[in-house]
This record gives sequence, C-alpha cells and structure tokens, in this order.
Amino acid sequence: AQKITQTQPGMFVQEKEAVTLDCTYDTSDPSYGLFWYKQPSSGEMIFLIYQGSYDQQNATEGRYSLNFQKARKSANLVISASQLGDSAMYFCAMRENNIYSGAGSYQLTFGKGTKLSVIP
Amino acid sequence: NAGVMQNPRHLVRRRGQEARLRCSPMKGHSHVYWYRQLPEEGLKFMVYLQKENIIDESGMPKERFSAEFPKEGPSILRIQQVVRGDSAAYFCASSPPTSGRAPDTQYFGPGTRLTVL
Repeated sequence: AQKITQTQPGMFVQEKEAVTLDCTYDTSDPSYGLFWYKQPSSGEMIFLIYQGSYDQQNATEGRYSLNFQKARKSANLVISASQLGDSAMYFCAMRENNIYSGAGSYQLTFGKGTKLSVIP
Repeated sequence: NAGVMQNPRHLVRRRGQEARLRCSPMKGHSHVYWYRQLPEEGLKFMVYLQKENIIDESGMPKERFSAEFPKEGPSILRIQQVVRGDSAAYFCASSPPTSGRAPDTQYFGPGTRLTVL
C-alpha cells in the first residue's frame, strides 16, 4: 500500500483564490511527522510546513496552513491568496518515528506530487 | 547562512563511466540524506549518513552505488559504471544534530541532474 497518496496529479487555481492540495497517509506508528515541500520548475525542493502527529493545533506558516485530520489520516495543504509564483509541484511527505522498533526516524516517504498552476 | 550546496547541478555521463555527486550540508548540520527522483515521481530515500558513518543505506541499490560523508569535506554519492536507468535527479538534504530520537526538518539542496547517454 502507498504510504503517501496525493490523488490530484494537477490543479488549477485563479490568482488570489485559496486552494487545497490533498494528501492522505498510511502508518501504524503513533508518532510521525508530515511535511509539505514545493518544487518549482527550477527543480529545487523548498520546505513549506510541518505537522507533528501529537500537535494539537494545525500548523500554519504565512499563507500556508495544514488541515490535519488525524482520524482520517489526511494532511491537506491549504494555500491562501494564491500568487503566480505558487505555480509548482507540491509534495507531501511523512517521517515515521518508529517508536516500536526503535529503529529511529529519518527517512522521508514522498507522495507523487500535485502540479499546481495559478491562472492570472 | 548558506543552504545545502550540491555540485555539479547537471552531469552528463556515458554508459560505463563513473558519476560523483557532491553535497555540502548547511552550516551546523551533521546529518546528510540522499534521495533520488525519477521523472514524474516523488523522491525516494537512498541513504542516511552522519560524519564518517553510514546510518541507513536501505534505499541504495546493492551494486555500483556508494556514499560517504568524511570527517572533512562534502558528502559524496558515487555511481560506478552508470547505466541509462541511473538518469535522474539526485537530491541531498541535511538536518541539524538532535538530542532526541527524531531529527529535525530536512532541508534540501538544488539537486544534481544526471543524464546517462
């Protein structure tokens, strides 16, 4: 089974509108972290936002917020007031903390990404 | 504070040659990770290193691939006898040392795009 599923290969949004990018995850580890990264056409990977599995509040970073629904195992990224510069691939990733195995935590498991296009 | 540096940004090799990819982590970071991204795919974990130690290489192909992070200098990902299927973007990430079990956020370099002819 896929550990990270991003069901939207591509999304369009009008400039200045909000957009939600979907991410669902699969883990039996009670302790984990969820990340969103942005990859513009230039290719670099830019960290956007992080949510820990025990965090009580949804994470926010400027125009980015993470809609974390633990029971549904979803961690959707919300971008408010879209800008042309937001056009990029967006990747959801998970780090499992492996508290049962004691294996430690470091690997990020990535979804296949969503290509967001902002329309002027 | 400079970010994660990778060089070269683009590398072209013929089948059978060797590819050496370099990564300098962010200042103060002692954990280095290598990931590979095939076209139209997300990143796949390859290896995790700390200074002079390979912690986890479970994502590395068994043959031709090796990685090191020496006491001095950058981390190196080495691919011997490259084949066309090695063509991909290779990303390095780094994170700071941590006292807990969970390392911090990984910050990525710009990647090296390897093309094998």
